[in-house]
Amino acid sequence: DVKVTQSSRYLVKRTGEKVFLECVQDMDHENMFWYRQDPGLGLRLIYFSYDVKMKEKGDIPEGYSVSREKKERFSLILESASTNQTSMYLCASSLPGLTDTQYFGPGTRLTVL
Amino acid sequence: SQQGEEDPQALSIQEGENATMNCSYKTSINNLQWYRQNSGRGLVHLILIRSNEREKHSGRLRVTLDTSKKSSSLLITASRAADTASYFCATDEGGSYIPTFGRGTSLIVHP
Repeated sequence: DVKVTQSSRYLVKRTGEKVFLECVQDMDHENMFWYRQDPGLGLRLIYFSYDVKMKEKGDIPEGYSVSREKKERFSLILESASTNQTSMYLCASSLPGLTDTQYFGPGTRLTVL
Repeated sequence: SQQGEEDPQALSIQEGENATMNCSYKTSINNLQWYRQNSGRGLVHLILIRSNEREKHSGRLRVTLDTSKKSSSLLITASRAADTASYFCATDEGGSYIPTFGRGTSLIVHP
């Protein structure tokens, strides 16, 4: 089975802190994604990556950056956390066809105080 | 970007009843997927249906796709309390090469 893990289930940070969210997948998937999920808004794509060191902006990239130095690891970085970035963050991976089935991690619930 | 829209937003039924939820979209698609999310967890893929398919089954799940009406339905038969979750459809409509998720249907199955 595909396994996607995220570094933390719950995280509490202060406004202005730099925050790193890590995601690791063990199935050699080319594509990796970061979403945020907020009540009433569904899942919104922040960034995705289709190869090592390659990244594309999603629908809401502002305030975020990403890093993919190794195929199995995709990091989401909040350069200076703000309270409006309090959310559930979900990582996913998939095979090369971008509309293929996505495999999700358990999510990180981030609270920015 | 466009997204599929699930309907209803919330559904409450008794164990043993069937649950039907719908997804509508606006333009053409190549495929449509359904996912389940248990409270506070990640999404789990349930089923993928391609634009040239009309119906697919997986256990107690039945998915239909009507491209003329630009809609899909997910039917869960003989529901169980463990089916309580949010259900999302994801489409690649509008030529998008990234699946776009709807806002989901929240299903509660009472024991």
